[in-house]
Amino acid sequence: DGGITQSPKYLFRKEGQNVTLSCEQNLNHDAMYWYRQDPGQGLRLIYYSHIVNDFQKGDIAEGYSVSREKKESFPLTVTSAQKNPTAFYLCASRMISGGPHTGELFFGEGSRLTVL
Amino acid sequence: DQQVKQNSPSLSVQEGRISILNCDYTNSMFDYFLWYKKYPAEGPTFLISISSIKDKNEDGRFTVFLNKSAKHLSLHIVPSQPGDSAVYFCAATIQNTGNQFYFGTGTSLTVIP
Repeated sequence: DGGITQSPKYLFRKEGQNVTLSCEQNLNHDAMYWYRQDPGQGLRLIYYSHIVNDFQKGDIAEGYSVSREKKESFPLTVTSAQKNPTAFYLCASRMISGGPHTGELFFGEGSRLTVL
Repeated sequence: DQQVKQNSPSLSVQEGRISILNCDYTNSMFDYFLWYKKYPAEGPTFLISISSIKDKNEDGRFTVFLNKSAKHLSLHIVPSQPGDSAVYFCAATIQNTGNQFYFGTGTSLTVIP
């Protein structure tokens, strides 16, 4: 079945360590996004990418890095520079080619990162 | 600054009654609006959307109303069912740019059997 797969679902990290969250989609979507959700807050955009080998910072990119070497993959690295990394991370994708229709975002199941 | 706001963090409704979830936005350039439903520890799932050229869109038990002059949209669920209990997020974007989807903070709906 087509969809977005995030892994791992739960991850624990010690302070000072980098960690990479995986996001893979087989929907043939052009654009991919990383959001962060904290309690009582909406989804906040970290990074997004519309095409391979190109990505843009969102509202809260500091302390994060991404790559888009393949259309179907958009991994997110949470670096030690991220001051408050404990959160629920959501990857999303959507189709943008083929006309002006925006297309809704499709989300993965999320990854819960806890820094100990 | 929050461009999309959901001012009610929670809502409780009896089964069979109507649930009305509200959302306000500040950017008059937004022209496409979406509602997502989210269960704990899961990703949001798309529920219904509306373009700014319409003022109403209906899909089964779900209807979204858009009032552009008031910069307000609402989601009506009729009749409400216990399975509707979840957090609902509204989102807005500008079509043709489409780079950013702005999300509200969510409203937790509880449908009481």
